[in-house]
Amino acid sequence: QQQVKQSPQSLIVQKGGISIINCAYENTAFDYFPWYQQFPGKGPALLIAIRPDVSEKKEGRFTISFNKSAKQFSLHIMDSQPGDSATYFCAASYNFNKFYFGSGTKLNVKP
Amino acid sequence: DTAVSQTPKYLVTQMGNDKSIKCEQNLGHDTMYWYKQDSKKFLKIMFSYNNKELIINETVPNRFSPKSPDKAHLNLHINSLELGDSAVYFCASSQGGRSDTQYFGPGTRLTVL
Repeated sequence: QQQVKQSPQSLIVQKGGISIINCAYENTAFDYFPWYQQFPGKGPALLIAIRPDVSEKKEGRFTISFNKSAKQFSLHIMDSQPGDSATYFCAASYNFNKFYFGSGTKLNVKP
Repeated sequence: DTAVSQTPKYLVTQMGNDKSIKCEQNLGHDTMYWYKQDSKKFLKIMFSYNNKELIINETVPNRFSPKSPDKAHLNLHINSLELGDSAVYFCASSQGGRSDTQYFGPGTRLTVL
């Protein structure tokens, strides 16, 4: 059973547009929700993360929105750029760093 | 300086062979992990070690055996390789403690023929 469900599987956005990726979870024990960015041939790298005591976190063009009651969180990429084209993974963790990853979203930003 | 390094980057081998993948981190982290990423990009944890001690062992065939000679190294040995083992294997490390950032290595693409 997949602990974190991610959608969409792929996303095409025009340069300058907003990219939105959604994740949902069931386990209320999760206490840390990171987003990872992965370029082809590379390992995932932490992009931004949030804890459940806040509803939003912004770092530059990247924002996480967190809805604790709905058990959902999302990544918004403002002013999307071709260099943002990558696969994005949401994740959730608890209990000594056991991480559960979403299935990934392949983002393609068209110039 | 590479924070988390893995060798080899590519590994092509025949079914039934035994192979090892090495991982080293120079971040001074206490916790290291092995993940498997399948062809659909799904990333799944296999093992986690904290200070050379196994703390997470997911449902992984016992053909897979992690070994941690010291807290900077976590190697993965795979016996009797099967076609289904073909994947990209990522090593990662974190400082430890509750819900900390993980740093991933570049991955090892294993192809079993």
